[in-house]
Amino acid sequence: DVKVTQSSRYLVKRTGEKVFLECVQDMDHENMFWYRQDPGLGLRLIYFSYDVKMKEKGDIPEGYSVSREKKERFSLILESASTNQTSMYLCASRSGNTIYFGEGSWLTVV
Amino acid sequence: GENVEQHPSTLSVQEGDSAVIKCTYSDSASNYFPWYKQELGKRPQLIIDIRSNVGEKKDQRIAVTLNKTAKHFSLHITETQPEDSAVYFCAASPQYNFNKFYFGSGTKLNVKP
Repeated sequence: DVKVTQSSRYLVKRTGEKVFLECVQDMDHENMFWYRQDPGLGLRLIYFSYDVKMKEKGDIPEGYSVSREKKERFSLILESASTNQTSMYLCASRSGNTIYFGEGSWLTVV
Repeated sequence: GENVEQHPSTLSVQEGDSAVIKCTYSDSASNYFPWYKQELGKRPQLIIDIRSNVGEKKDQRIAVTLNKTAKHFSLHITETQPEDSAVYFCAASPQYNFNKFYFGSGTKLNVKP
């Protein structure tokens, strides 16, 4: 059973803070993703990584960066959090044509 | 890029009735169409998918149909049960690049007992 684990389920951060969201997968998948989920907007791709140290921008990369130093770990970084980044963040990994999601991290920026 | 539209945004049905969720897509290169179910507070999970060389696929009470000419695909749930209550997302992807999934905006299905 594929496991994608997001270490923080609920976070409250202040405007301007640097925020790290961590994600680990245990299936040796090469491809990992960060999505943002907002009501009425579905799932929007922020960044994805197809190998260690390799990354590509998704549809809404502004205000975010990512890090993939090890195959199993993919981190999303908000350099300076803003209130419009309050959202649910979903990490995922891919095997073939199936995406496996983590349980999500609810981030509130105040 | 691809644009996936999903309707309705909310759907309420009586237990035992059928539910239909529809999606349209814009990019003719899309040829893989999965559906994900997200129960409250849980992760989205794949429930069924269809490729463009197939018009219909069934798995027990759920089925997906695809009209490639019209660029739309639908999820059908028959004999709905309260545990079907969830948010459902459709998605489209070109088969040459499974790193590019485009999701619909989601449908919140409520099955009333």
